[in-house]
Amino acid sequence: NAGVTQTPKFRILKIGQSMTLQCTQDMNHNYMYWYRQDPGMGLKLIYYSVGAGITDKGEVPNGYNVSRSTTEDFPLRLELAAPSQTSVYFCASSLADQETQYFGPGTRLLVL
Amino acid sequence: AQSVAQPEDQVNVAEGNPLTVKCTYSVSGNPYLFWYVQYPNRGLQFLLKYITGDNLVKGSYGFEAEFNKSQTSFHLKKPSALVSDSALYFCAVRDMRAGNNRKLIWGLGTSLGVNP
Repeated sequence: NAGVTQTPKFRILKIGQSMTLQCTQDMNHNYMYWYRQDPGMGLKLIYYSVGAGITDKGEVPNGYNVSRSTTEDFPLRLELAAPSQTSVYFCASSLADQETQYFGPGTRLLVL
Repeated sequence: AQSVAQPEDQVNVAEGNPLTVKCTYSVSGNPYLFWYVQYPNRGLQFLLKYITGDNLVKGSYGFEAEFNKSQTSFHLKKPSALVSDSALYFCAVRDMRAGNNRKLIWGLGTSLGVNP
């Protein structure tokens, strides 16, 4: 099993550009999450999903959108990139809400 | 308020010595507690969790953690540190508030350095 995979690994965006961060898991997990990690700030939850077709906001959803059309995929969309969105983004999945979360390797995003 | 605190930004120990990384929490009800480790330029990896049962939880790579309800703590420990244990360690607790219980509350992380 590949676990949780994320693409791209690194991306530079200009202010105002858009992009989609891809996340795929092959563990048949119902729950998926998007976090951002900023230095010294720990992890902040952006969006999460409890199953295909169901998504909900986390702590810091502004400037992002998600969709969950399949169990495996949970893409994160940035519509108008801003310098404040420079961060490392992690996708994670779990079988149920209290279960262990499995993380992808992360996407490093730089907005200039 | 639901929260997790890791009071030390940085912990340094000598290889072979015991290590402790501290975590305290504040949640309503019985807590679900987790420890994760992050190596440089990698995603987080699960180490161990406490949901119920024995207060001493054993996890991956020789780590263990002790749940102390009276002190609301869940400190991570290892009897003999290795240089390869040098990493960033995160404590997390399940958010028990109604409607939020699918989320984890994360500590800010503790950087562990093990000196040869």
